[in-house]
Amino acid sequence: EDQVTQSPEALRLQEGESSSLNCSYTVSGLRGLFWYRQDPGKGPEFLFTLYSAGEEKEKERLKATLTKKESFLHITAPKPEDSATYLCAVCEASGTYKYIFGTGTRLKVLA
Amino acid sequence: ETGVTQSPTHLIKTRGQQVTLRCSSQSGHNTVSWYQQALGQGPQFIFQYYREEENGRGNFPPRFSGLQFPNYSSELNVNALELDDSALYLCASSLGDRVEQFFGPGTRLTVL
Repeated sequence: EDQVTQSPEALRLQEGESSSLNCSYTVSGLRGLFWYRQDPGKGPEFLFTLYSAGEEKEKERLKATLTKKESFLHITAPKPEDSATYLCAVCEASGTYKYIFGTGTRLKVLA
Repeated sequence: ETGVTQSPTHLIKTRGQQVTLRCSSQSGHNTVSWYQQALGQGPQFIFQYYREEENGRGNFPPRFSGLQFPNYSSELNVNALELDDSALYLCASSLGDRVEQFFGPGTRLTVL
């Protein structure tokens, strides 16, 4: 069964304490893997798309990487404003479009 | 550039009723997808429309249906509402066959 699993479910960091979030996926074929940030009660905010193993993308304190079975979102020197739920999703390469999201990692950065 | 907009923001219905939610795509985007997000869960893919045709569907029953209009706006219709349909309904748009999607703020549906 196609699925996306994120870990940890929740993470508390001190300001400046770097860490990584994990997203493992099982799909028959990958059109793309996405990272989103979601604040409470709001729609997800697009961060990155990764298409193939070995690809990396960066944006401010965030860096996303991709292997054949998982993706990591590295957060360097986080600030309290980075507190949010981070969602990972894949678009599988079947005949039609189908998107699968993980349940997210709830990140809390303490000042 | 106009982002994805959704209406209404909040909605309360009773079990058995029908509901229509609306979405306007980001400027220039011709593909729209709908998602259901229960509290504490990730979004669940309902379906996607491209040029007014459904081109992808998740594991939702037929009482969840949709439309896309020539201006690329979209509607999600849910018939025979059940208590478990209470959730945040998200619309996302994208351009053509590009897979990255951009989300609207969502509609919070409560079924009593």
